[in-house]
Amino acid sequence: GAGVSQSPSNKVTEKGKDVELRCDPISGHTALYWYRQSLGQGLEFLIYFQGNSAPDKSGLPSDRFSAERTGGSVSTLTIQRTQQEDSAVYLCASSREGSPTSYGYTFGSGTRLTVV
Amino acid sequence: AQTVTQSQPEMSVQEAETVTLSCTYDTSESDYYLFWYKQPPSRQMILVIRQEAYKQQNATENRFSVNFQKAAKSFSLKISDSQLGDAAMYFCAYRRWGGATNKLIFGTGTLLAVQP
Repeated sequence: GAGVSQSPSNKVTEKGKDVELRCDPISGHTALYWYRQSLGQGLEFLIYFQGNSAPDKSGLPSDRFSAERTGGSVSTLTIQRTQQEDSAVYLCASSREGSPTSYGYTFGSGTRLTVV
Repeated sequence: AQTVTQSQPEMSVQEAETVTLSCTYDTSESDYYLFWYKQPPSRQMILVIRQEAYKQQNATENRFSVNFQKAAKSFSLKISDSQLGDAAMYFCAYRRWGGATNKLIFGTGTLLAVQP
């Protein structure tokens, strides 16, 4: 697609429920990133995919968080047993890799998750 | 570990005037990239300008320019002839050169208001 697409745009869930957030990157972008933006905070790195593998998942805050990517394209971030502190905007970004110059990333518009 | 600091949570500028947003960072590496991103209410992060650390010349993109002081680890953004559409949250970001991951490390942002 022309841009990075994230769905849903907004999600309200009850504490304790599981949620899935979806990211559809730009076609041909091999790198994909998930970030979390809490109210009044900067963006916090969660996980990085190169193709279908995740060489850096150091930012996942707990074992309730997991992510996968299939076919080198769509990625899903899953949060199990959601807590109120999980409320945030979850942003996805993709980029081309392997270029001798650095590209900025193309971000999606994010999913605003509210845990009540 | 690398860190990025934006010491101005909020700034205000009159339309058509010039404003400078501050950013400092900490790293022990000599090669890296620096970025400024804009986040309007739509939440999508938009790349404003980037700078490669090995380049001495400051990057410029139309009304946006940076003052990159490598020794001082400072990377400020100057917006000239401010427009109402410049009102947004601005994030400074760092990315190391190479490595197993290409994640961006963000500051906490500066909210810019443009007064008519």
